Amino acid sequence: GQQLNQSPQSMFIQEGEDVSMNCTSSSIFNTWLWYKQDPGEGPVLLIALYKAGELTSNGRLTAQFGITRKDSFLNISASIPSDVGIYFCAGSQGGSEKLVFGKGTKLTVNP
Amino acid sequence: DAGITQSPRHKVTETGTPVTLRCHQTENHRYMYWYRQDPGHGLRLIHYSYGVKDTDKGEVSDGYSVSRSKTEDFLLTLESATSSQTSVYFCAIILSGVYNEQFFGPGTRLTVL
Repeated sequence: GQQLNQSPQSMFIQEGEDVSMNCTSSSIFNTWLWYKQDPGEGPVLLIALYKAGELTSNGRLTAQFGITRKDSFLNISASIPSDVGIYFCAGSQGGSEKLVFGKGTKLTVNP
Repeated sequence: DAGITQSPRHKVTETGTPVTLRCHQTENHRYMYWYRQDPGHGLRLIHYSYGVKDTDKGEVSDGYSVSRSKTEDFLLTLESATSSQTSVYFCAIILSGVYNEQFFGPGTRLTVL
């Protein structure tokens, strides 16, 4: 089935640093979503993107829908300890009600 | 809070026994999904439903069946559990009127011994 390649797999950063992660595919997606998962909980939706080139912010988080429709990026500015968790990208194609998920980026923030 | 509950939250069972996991939502949303989450694999779709008695397979449906006899409940059944089905299972819904934004339940941790 379709796969999303998410990178990096893990990141270790210092509090206050900015973070960038991305998700790529070999085919076109028409929806990109970014989720965060804390240990022992379900993923929580952070940002949804619906148009190529769209740039959307949610507090210190900013995500972009790549212009080729084959990638998406998530940036976190001025990281804080509560940003720790696993970040997943997800996408859907055509009129599908199904999502394909990346394998996640595990973020560790050192105080 | 999308009003999703999953039960049980934790279960330990033995190989070969049947297991049913329940996902319950309170607001008559049409679409419901079952995923499993395993280290190194992310979230993988098992089955989904687009209405009462309307279900379809996902990418890892072998060994699983589902039923949706009423809007609010989506059941996932392992007819004969195997150790490879040890996983964390998440239910998700799409809120009515919101395109493709899935909201997840708290998960069920299943261990098959």
